[in-house]
Amino acid sequence: QQQVKQSPQSLIVQKGGIPIINCAYENTAFDYFPWYQQFPGKGPALLIAIRPDVSEKKEGRFTISFNKSAKQFSLHIMDSQPGDSATYFCAASGTAGNMLTFGGGTRLMVKP
Amino acid sequence: DAGVIQSPRHEVTEMGQEVTLRCKPISGHDYLFWYRQTMMRGLELLIYFNNNVPIDDSGMPEDRFSAKMPNASFSTLKIQPSEPRDSAVYFCASRRQGRSNQPQHFGDGTRLSIL
Repeated sequence: QQQVKQSPQSLIVQKGGIPIINCAYENTAFDYFPWYQQFPGKGPALLIAIRPDVSEKKEGRFTISFNKSAKQFSLHIMDSQPGDSATYFCAASGTAGNMLTFGGGTRLMVKP
Repeated sequence: DAGVIQSPRHEVTEMGQEVTLRCKPISGHDYLFWYRQTMMRGLELLIYFNNNVPIDDSGMPEDRFSAKMPNASFSTLKIQPSEPRDSAVYFCASRRQGRSNQPQHFGDGTRLSIL
C-alpha cells in the first residue's frame, strides 16, 4: 500500500524557532514530493516541492531536505513566525504529479 | 484571477438524502481532482479527470459515490444515499497539463455533515 508517514502530529515552537517536520515513504516509484500548507477553513496550498535528483531545495524561509537512500524528506521553517501557524502536509506522487498520497499532517503553532 | 470554486461551502442533510457537491476548476486547467479530508483518514484522493475524462477512480469509497465532468468548467461529486460516515470536508483541485511542477490548486472545500 502506498503510504507516506508524517511526524510529529503537532508541534509548538517559539517565534524565531526552526520547526522540523519529517516524512517517510515506501514506494520507490515516487518521484515528486510537495509540501502543502493549510489554514483553517481553507484548502491546502502548495508551499514548496522537490524531486529526488536534488538533496535540498530552499524557497525563502522554507527548506526541504531529501534523503533518497533513507526514503525520507523533511521541511524546515527558518525564523518561524506566528503567521506560519497552520497544518502542513507532505505528499508524494509519480512523475506526473497527479495521484498525490498525503501524509497525515502536522499542526504547527508558533507562539509570539 | 479566480481560483477553484466549490459550492456549497457547507451542507447539512439527513442520512439517506442525495448530496451533490459542485466544482468549477481554474480556467485552462486540464486536470480536476476530488479529495476527501477527515480526521481519521486525512486527505484522500477520490477520483481525477483529464480533459473531462475520468482517469482513476480507485479512491471512490463505494458505489454510492459518483463523479462527473460534463465540460471543462464544471464537475460534480454525488453521494446517494448519504450516510453519517460520509461526513467530511470535500476538496476539489485542478492543475494544468504538464509535469509535476504544475501544482494542484485547491478550492476551499465543502464541509458535509450527514445527520
